[in-house]
Amino acid sequence: DGGITQSPKYLFRKEGQNVTLSCEQNLNHDAMYWYRQDPGQGLRLIYYSQIVNDFQKGDIAEGYSVSREKKESFPLTVTSAQKNPTAFYLCASSIRAHLGETQYFGPGTRLLVL
Amino acid sequence: EDQVTQSPEALRLQEGESSSLNCSYTVSGLRGLFWYRQDPGKGPEFLFTLYSAGEEKEKERLKATLTKKESFLHITAPKPEDSATYLCAVHPNTGNQFYFGTGTSLTVIP
Repeated sequence: DGGITQSPKYLFRKEGQNVTLSCEQNLNHDAMYWYRQDPGQGLRLIYYSQIVNDFQKGDIAEGYSVSREKKESFPLTVTSAQKNPTAFYLCASSIRAHLGETQYFGPGTRLLVL
Repeated sequence: EDQVTQSPEALRLQEGESSSLNCSYTVSGLRGLFWYRQDPGKGPEFLFTLYSAGEEKEKERLKATLTKKESFLHITAPKPEDSATYLCAVHPNTGNQFYFGTGTSLTVIP
C-alpha cells in the first residue's frame, strides 16, 4: 500500500528540549512538506523540499529545522527556539512542488508541551 | 496578498438536506484548487482538484465547481458519515506554496 506515515502519533516535549517528528513516504514523490495546524487557523507551511538535499523555508520556519537525505524521508526537528510548539503537525508529499500537483497528507503528529 | 476564505465556518444539516460550502480566493493566478476532508485528529484526505473555471468534479454525494473567484462544494442528500471539516487550498501561479482556508465544519444530524 502506498502512502505517508508519520510517527509518533503523540509527542511530549519538555522545556528546552529538541524533538524530531518522522515522515516517510513510499509514493516515489519528489516533493515533501511540513505544515502546522492550530485551532481556527488554516494549515501553515513550515518547510518544503522539492528534491533530495534541498529544502526551502515556508511562512513559519523559525524554531524548526529539516533534512532531506533520502527521497522517502523528511524529518522535522522542533527546536527549543520554538516557543509555542503545541500543535498538530502534518507531513505531505506531491509528485513535484510546482505545476499544481496534488498534495497527499499523512495522519499527523500531535505535539504537546509538558 | 494571496488569500483563501471559506464559509460558513460551521454548518449543521439534517440528513438528506442538501447544501453548499464556499471557498473564495484572491490569488494572482491559479494553478489549481484543492478540496480535502479532515476528520478529527486525522490528516486531510484528498477529494478533488480543479484547474480551470467551469470545471466540475463529482464523487458520490459531493460535487466541486470552480469559477474565476470561488469554488463550491455541493453536498447532495448528506448522511451522518459526511460529517467532517472540509478544507480548501489554492496553488497560485507564482511560487510552490499552497494556501489553505480555515475550513468548514459540517455536522449532519440523523
